[in-house]
Amino acid sequence: SYVLTQPPSVSVAPGKTARITCGGNNIGSKSVHWYQQKPGQAPVLVIYHDSDRPSGIPERFSGSNSGNTATLTISRVEAGDEADYYCQVCDSSSDHPVFGGGTKLTVL
Amino acid sequence: QVQLQESGPGLVKPSQTLSLTCTVSGDSISSGSYYWSWIRQPAGKGLEWIGRIYTSGSTNYNPSLKSRITISVDTSKNQFSLKLNSVTAADTAVYYCASTAVAGFVDYWGQGTLVTVSS
Repeated sequence: SYVLTQPPSVSVAPGKTARITCGGNNIGSKSVHWYQQKPGQAPVLVIYHDSDRPSGIPERFSGSNSGNTATLTISRVEAGDEADYYCQVCDSSSDHPVFGGGTKLTVL
Repeated sequence: QVQLQESGPGLVKPSQTLSLTCTVSGDSISSGSYYWSWIRQPAGKGLEWIGRIYTSGSTNYNPSLKSRITISVDTSKNQFSLKLNSVTAADTAVYYCASTAVAGFVDYWGQGTLVTVSS
């Protein structure tokens, strides 16, 4: 089955830019979605179709996807952005969703 | 806006069947707008997609769990359900029901319910 690889952790200072990667074989040919999950809460969709933002998600959240890496970028990071972030695609061979292992974003 | 609420026992004995129900509000489960999905998350670990059902009744299951899963829908109650049989401690997790857009992303999640497998 299709495997998505994320770094376990990323740290960033407030006001700086955080980049969280999601690696997969030719992931650039797939549509990537990103979720934010804070402790004790259900995940929230923050980016869909590589770079689209649902209503209510700040413009500070953006996404890109090319080659073997998709990236979630969070600009002007705030303390409230501290959370786990998961990428997700649909595995075309099995037609089912696959999640990355998740990245814990720490705001220093 | 779609709202989802999981319900079911929080404790299941090993080898027995885990049964959960998701009640949908804010949209008809028959609308055809979504797949209705189950996703789980063991404590301190990542998300695992379990399976989904479409309004037509067609299902799609995670191959690693397929032999133990049944997902069904009750349109009269606007609910869908998960049954996972022969459970072990490894099935202990927070279970989420969710609506999955046809385009593939999960746009609405239930709050999640913790199911512990223990004697």
